[in-house]
Amino acid sequence: NAGVTQTPKFQVLKTGQSMTLQCAQDMNHNSMYWYRQDPGMGLRLIYYSASEGTTDKGEVPNGYNVSRLNKREFSLRLESAAPSQTSVYFCASRTSGAQETQYFGPGTRLLVL
Amino acid sequence: QKEVEQNSGPLSVPEGAIASLNCTYSDRGSQSFFWYRQYSGKSPELIMFIYSNGDKEDGRFTAQLNKASQYVSLLIRDSQPSDSATYLCAVNRFFDTASKLTFGTGTRLQVTL
Repeated sequence: NAGVTQTPKFQVLKTGQSMTLQCAQDMNHNSMYWYRQDPGMGLRLIYYSASEGTTDKGEVPNGYNVSRLNKREFSLRLESAAPSQTSVYFCASRTSGAQETQYFGPGTRLLVL
Repeated sequence: QKEVEQNSGPLSVPEGAIASLNCTYSDRGSQSFFWYRQYSGKSPELIMFIYSNGDKEDGRFTAQLNKASQYVSLLIRDSQPSDSATYLCAVNRFFDTASKLTFGTGTRLQVTL
């Protein structure tokens, strides 16, 4: 049981390049989330998916797209990377029920030059 | 006003002392409250959650919630150097079909020998 996994761990892009961050969970959770974390800003929600086949914008969605490929996988795409997207990206999935809890993946460090 | 506010610290406590971490939130509709610990370069990991007013204890950790004052705290008894990390407060609210966490920017705790 690996929990939440993310690939890659680290990536360097040039401005204008595109890439997809991958996330998968093996806990059979319905809801999945993408956050970015920047110094002094805390964790901010980019997009989330309440269930397979649905996605919704979070607090900072501009410049990103997402795909909920199936129940396990939720990817984040940067179509044209900008230096402002330099950040650490975390994927999370959530249990359901009365004691719902979010569990985080190890993160992807992205540097856009 | 930020939705979730925490003192950024650092909060420095000697080994063996009680560390007290505080968090206030603005949304009275918030339903559940979480404390995450984040070591430098790592992902957030859940320490505790609390739903009801009062105290909740788990080992050396006690979470306290006062919904009337919109205040959540985390007490760490017998602080250890391994407790040195950033502690993130998060509040949860259910919107439409999904619940969303809003995070504070975190308090950095330093436990000194």
